[in-house]
Amino acid sequence: AQKVTQTQTSISVMEKTTVTMDCVYETQDSSYFLFWYKQTASGEIVFLIRQDSYKKENATVGHYSLNFQKPKSSIGLIITATQIEDSAVYFCAMREGPGYQNFYFGKGTSLTVIP
Amino acid sequence: EAAVTQSPRNKVAVTGGKVTLSCNQTNNHNNMYWYRQDTGHGLRLIHYSYGAGSTEKGDIPDGYKASRPSQENFSLILELATPSQTSVYFCASGDPGAGNTLYFGEGSRLIVV
Repeated sequence: AQKVTQTQTSISVMEKTTVTMDCVYETQDSSYFLFWYKQTASGEIVFLIRQDSYKKENATVGHYSLNFQKPKSSIGLIITATQIEDSAVYFCAMREGPGYQNFYFGKGTSLTVIP
Repeated sequence: EAAVTQSPRNKVAVTGGKVTLSCNQTNNHNNMYWYRQDTGHGLRLIHYSYGAGSTEKGDIPDGYKASRPSQENFSLILELATPSQTSVYFCASGDPGAGNTLYFGEGSRLIVV
């Protein structure tokens, strides 16, 4: 069974609008970490934002923010005022457990921002 | 300036040949990783390391070896390359002080013919 699921395969939005990408995860651990990454057309994978499970406040970095709903095991990525250069594939990821190798990635959501 | 750099960025190898993919990081992170990315499979962990001299098997280690001679350098070695190892390989370093956030290199595209 997948530990991290992104159900939206692709999304298209108009430039300067807000988009939300969904991600649900599965873990038995009480402490875990959630991440969003962006993979550009050149293939580069860039870290965007992190949410620690024990924090109640939603993380925000620049025009990226998270909608962390712990009871629903959900971590949505919100991009406000989208720009053309936000077009990319976005991956959700989770790290759990004591080992630093236990990373699980979703299959990604492709975002196209239309001018 | 890129903190995780990989070389070569592109490589064509012959079946049965030896391939070494190199990774250098300036983040001073203890943890380093090698992943491969394939359509339909996403990112899969091959080997990882917790510091100089240590290497551990990930989820798909068969056909690969790893070497971590120093804090900065982590290599992935394909002793006998096969066409099934055609893929894009990513190295990453992990920041344990930030939930082990992974920082990826630019990727190395390997084609085995």
